[in-house]
Amino acid sequence: GAVVSQHPSRVICKSGTSVKIECRSLDFQATTMFWYRQFPKQSLMLMATSNEGSKATYEQGVEKDKFLINHASLTLSTLTVTSAHPEDSSFYICSAKRLSTYNEQFFGPGTRLTVL
Amino acid sequence: AQKVTQAQTEISVVEKEDVTLDCVYETRDTTYYLFWYKQPPSGELVFLIRRNSFDEQNEISGRYSWNFQKSTSSFNFTITASQVVDSAVYFCALSEAQGLTGGGNKLTFGTGTQLKVEL
Repeated sequence: GAVVSQHPSRVICKSGTSVKIECRSLDFQATTMFWYRQFPKQSLMLMATSNEGSKATYEQGVEKDKFLINHASLTLSTLTVTSAHPEDSSFYICSAKRLSTYNEQFFGPGTRLTVL
Repeated sequence: AQKVTQAQTEISVVEKEDVTLDCVYETRDTTYYLFWYKQPPSGELVFLIRRNSFDEQNEISGRYSWNFQKSTSSFNFTITASQVVDSAVYFCALSEAQGLTGGGNKLTFGTGTQLKVEL
């Protein structure tokens, strides 16, 4: 099956700093990747759709200047949480879309961000 | 707008019991995909099944089975003879489709059902 990795798996940072999370499709090309956020004991909420070579499409209520998304290649998308605050502490999960008969979507293992 | 409702927040069963997790969805699309994912404590989502809206056949995979009822907009998931390893949060999700092949679009997730299987 297709593999999607995320790095780092866990990160703790101080309030006000920026954190970059990488999402990589290891054995397939992904023109589209998705970024989700999951607060404790809650559902996954889509933040944005990342398209290779173009600007990301953000969901309503998600600040594009705070959550910077770059999809510079067909195997890598990055999410940068700028000027992080404790309320940004969450589990961030990416998924990558593999072009196929079913255009399947494969999830990464997630990144747990804690902002002190 | 799409919506997925999982009314059961938490279910506790004793090992070997059968358990059904409910999922009701809303969409205006005539073509769509439904999914079930398992999220163990590690957090990683485990894909269980994908079903397109044109395929109402029920499916069985080992101890897992799914009942898709388009008439009631439901896609319920049953675990037979539950085991402790089945303890996890289970999410039902919905995505729009591009024709018959677009299953990789953004997902709308339900709120999840926490299943606890005890000895």
